[in-house]
Parts: sequence; C-alpha cells; structure tokens
Amino acid sequence: KAGVTQTPRYLIKTRGQQVTLSCSPISGHRSVSWYQQTPGQGLQFLFEYFSETQRNKGNFPGRFSGRQFSNSRSEMNVSTLELGDSALYLCASSLAGRGDTEAFFGQGTRLTVV
Amino acid sequence: QQPVQSPQAVILREGEDAVINCSSSKALYSVHWYRQKHGEAPVFLMILLKGGEQKGHEKISASFNEKKQQSSLYLTASQLSYSGTYFCGTGGTGNQFYFGTGTSLTVIP
Repeated sequence: KAGVTQTPRYLIKTRGQQVTLSCSPISGHRSVSWYQQTPGQGLQFLFEYFSETQRNKGNFPGRFSGRQFSNSRSEMNVSTLELGDSALYLCASSLAGRGDTEAFFGQGTRLTVV
Repeated sequence: QQPVQSPQAVILREGEDAVINCSSSKALYSVHWYRQKHGEAPVFLMILLKGGEQKGHEKISASFNEKKQQSSLYLTASQLSYSGTYFCGTGGTGNQFYFGTGTSLTVIP
C-alpha cells in the first residue's frame, strides 16, 4: 500500500510570504502529526490532528497552523515566513493515533526561506 | 519536554555493539525508536510501553525503565546498514511525540 505522501518535496520562499504544505496519510489512517526538523533542534512536534480535530499542539507560534480534511489529508500553513522557519517538515500518520501504535513518516518537505 | 539522548555520536566497526540511551524528565507512557538515514524519512524500529509490552523488529532490542523514565536501544553485531541517526520519541496517549536530538551512528567496515 502507498506510504505517506508529502508535497511539494522542496520549496523556496521569501521572508514574509506564507506557505502551505500537504500530507496524505496512509489509507485508513486517521491521525496525522507534523514535525519540524532542523540540525540544531532535531525533530520538534508541531501539532496532531485526529478525525479533523486538532488534538495536541506543540510549542510553536500562531504563525504555524494546520487542518485536516474528512479524507484525513492534512495541510500545514506557515504565515509571515521567517529565515528561522527553514527546515525539513515531516508528517507522520498513524492508524489509531495512539501512543502504542507506530507512526509512518513521509519524506518531508524541505522549506528554504530566503 | 524533549528527551535527552546519549551519546550524540558513535562510530563502530562492523560486528561491534552499541547502546543508545534516552532519558526523559516526564513520566512516560511509551517510548518509540526510529532510525533516519540521510535524506530519508524516519523509519520505525520499536515501541516500548508501560507494563513491559514491546512491539518492533526482531533484530532490535530495547529496554524501558518506567521508574527512571529511561530507555535504551541495543544494537548488536552492527552492520553497515545500521548507520543513520537514531531518535527516541516520548509521548502520551496520542500520536504526538517529543523526540530527542538524535544519536548519529556510523558503522565502518
């Protein structure tokens, strides 16, 4: 079966712009989580959606937002981009969205802000 | 809330063993281990749950000390394919994890 698909794979944006990233989870998975990965900070949790509801949120400013659609696909939006937002953004899907089930990661979207 | 991993980096020769440690300041419900190769997505290795249950690949072993809020990943008889960055993730009952900063493992011939 198809894995987690993230689009686009690469993005270059200018400071101040906004960006939308997409994540299509594995078919049947209802939970999608988003992470920001940078060399210095590692993987940092952004937020988690389950059945179209944001269930958990990490410690990121309000410029970072997301949503989940009825087909479980999720989007993440970052407004007013800053240079420090340059990172690899990963999403992970999970069947049950519980801590006792494995999460499957997508290849990520590499965002560069110039 | 980010767990602390040690060591930060390790270099092994094929066939040698390694232990990667993960420590959290918060009570843990579960610990997940992932491996990420350069330019690739993190890949699931193992879940350890409160109460001793484990799920994962047969060739990987790990421990979970609930009282000390620590977990260790044991890599034995390392192969070149083991190279990558290992992350532990600690979380609650949902699909959100707080990952450590990673341990870079390099296996050389």
